[in-house]
Amino acid sequence: AQKVTQAQTEISVVEKEDVTLDCVYETRDTTYYLFWYKQPPSGELVFLIRRNSFDEQNEISGRYSWNFQKSTSSFNFTITASQVVDSAVYFCALSEANTGNQFYFGTGTSLTVIP
Amino acid sequence: DGGITQSPKYLFRKEGQNVTLSCEQNLNHDAMYWYRQDPGQGLRLIYYSQIVNDFQKGDIAEGYSVSREKKESFPLTVTSAQKNPTAFYLCASSMDGPYSDEQFFGPGTRLTVL
Repeated sequence: AQKVTQAQTEISVVEKEDVTLDCVYETRDTTYYLFWYKQPPSGELVFLIRRNSFDEQNEISGRYSWNFQKSTSSFNFTITASQVVDSAVYFCALSEANTGNQFYFGTGTSLTVIP
Repeated sequence: DGGITQSPKYLFRKEGQNVTLSCEQNLNHDAMYWYRQDPGQGLRLIYYSQIVNDFQKGDIAEGYSVSREKKESFPLTVTSAQKNPTAFYLCASSMDGPYSDEQFFGPGTRLTVL
């Protein structure tokens, strides 16, 4: 079974629109970690955020914000006032305490911001 | 600058040949990983190593081999036994502490089998 589901394969928005990327995860561990990465066309994955299972506080970093809800096993990512430079593939990932540093990645959401 | 380097960026090989992808890090990280990325399938773990001279198979290890003789180096060999090796290969590293630290990624190697 897929541990991390990113149901949105591709999203297109017009510049300055807000966009939310969904991530749903599945785990039986009580201690786990969630991550978001950005993969621009160059290919290298860029780390955006890490959140542990005991910290449900939402986080905001500039135009980026993350909404972690354990009740729905979701860790959604919102970009406010999107820009063309936000065009990339975004991956959500899960790491469980029982499996050490092994990451489980979702299949990614390809975001295109149209100028 | 600290980081992860992968070489070459593009690699072409003939069917039936073995090929080795390089991965070097100067972040002093204990753990290193190899992932394969195919369109629409995200990243899949091939092998990982948490310490020198030790490594474990990931989800898709068949047809691949690795070595970890030095802390900073984790080369991946794609053997002729790998049925469909054309893909984008990403190397990553992380601290190996008690908490799950973020993984840092290299720029990747795109392998094409002709």
